[in-house]
Amino acid sequence: ETGVTQTPRHLVMGMTNKKSLKCEQHLGHNAMYWYKQSAKKPLELMFVYSLEERVENNSVPSRFSPECPNSSHLFLHLHTLQPEDSALYLCASSPSTGNNSPLHFGNGTRLTVT
Amino acid sequence: GNSVTQMEGPVTLSEEAFLTINCTYTATGYPSLFWYVQYPGEGLQLLLKATKADDKGSNKGFEATYRKETTSFHLEKGSVQVSDSAVYFCALSDRKAGGTSYGKLTFGQGTILTVHP
Repeated sequence: ETGVTQTPRHLVMGMTNKKSLKCEQHLGHNAMYWYKQSAKKPLELMFVYSLEERVENNSVPSRFSPECPNSSHLFLHLHTLQPEDSALYLCASSPSTGNNSPLHFGNGTRLTVT
Repeated sequence: GNSVTQMEGPVTLSEEAFLTINCTYTATGYPSLFWYVQYPGEGLQLLLKATKADDKGSNKGFEATYRKETTSFHLEKGSVQVSDSAVYFCALSDRKAGGTSYGKLTFGQGTILTVHP
C-alpha cells in the first residue's frame, strides 16, 4: 500500500455537480499538497498545508476548495467545474516544509468534466 | 522567477542503451534539485536528489550531478531496461536565505522514455 492514498482513482462529473477528492497519508508527515497535472503542461502546485494550516494558495479558482481537517487527511471540494479542469489531480505529503524534504505522491485522481 | 527546462521527448531507446535526459534550471535562491519518475497509472516517485553544488544523486543505476556553473542537473543511466519506460520529471525546490519554500517544487514538463527490448 502506498503511503499516500487517493480516492477515487477516476471521476467523471458534469459541470453542475459537486464532488470531493480525498487524500490520506500514513507516513506521519506534517505537510500536504494538491498538484494538477494536465497533458503537455508542467505540474502545477495548487495548495499547500503545513500542520493543517494553509500556507499557499497558488491563484486557484474558487471552484476548487481545499480542506485539511488533520495532518493525515486532505480534501479537494469541486463545484461548477469547467471542461478545462479535466486533469490528473495529485496529492503529496512531506515530512516538513523545508526545501530538502522530498514529496511523496499518491497515484492521483483522473478527473473528467463533461 | 524559478523555472526548469527539460529536453523534449519522447525518447526511444533500445535495451542496454545509454540514457541522458537534459535538465537546466533558473533559480533565485539556493535550490535543491530532484528527479521524479512517473510510471503508467501511478503518481510521481522520487528517483534521486542533490541539495548543493557538485552533489551527485544516484539511485537504481540513475545518476545526476548538480552543476551550478552550468545550472544543470542532467539524468544519466549507463544501460536502460524496458522497466525504465516512464515519464521523468526534473524539479527544483528553492529556498531564499532565511526563508522556506514550503516544499514548493517547480517542475519541468516531463520527458517520456520508451525502452524497447
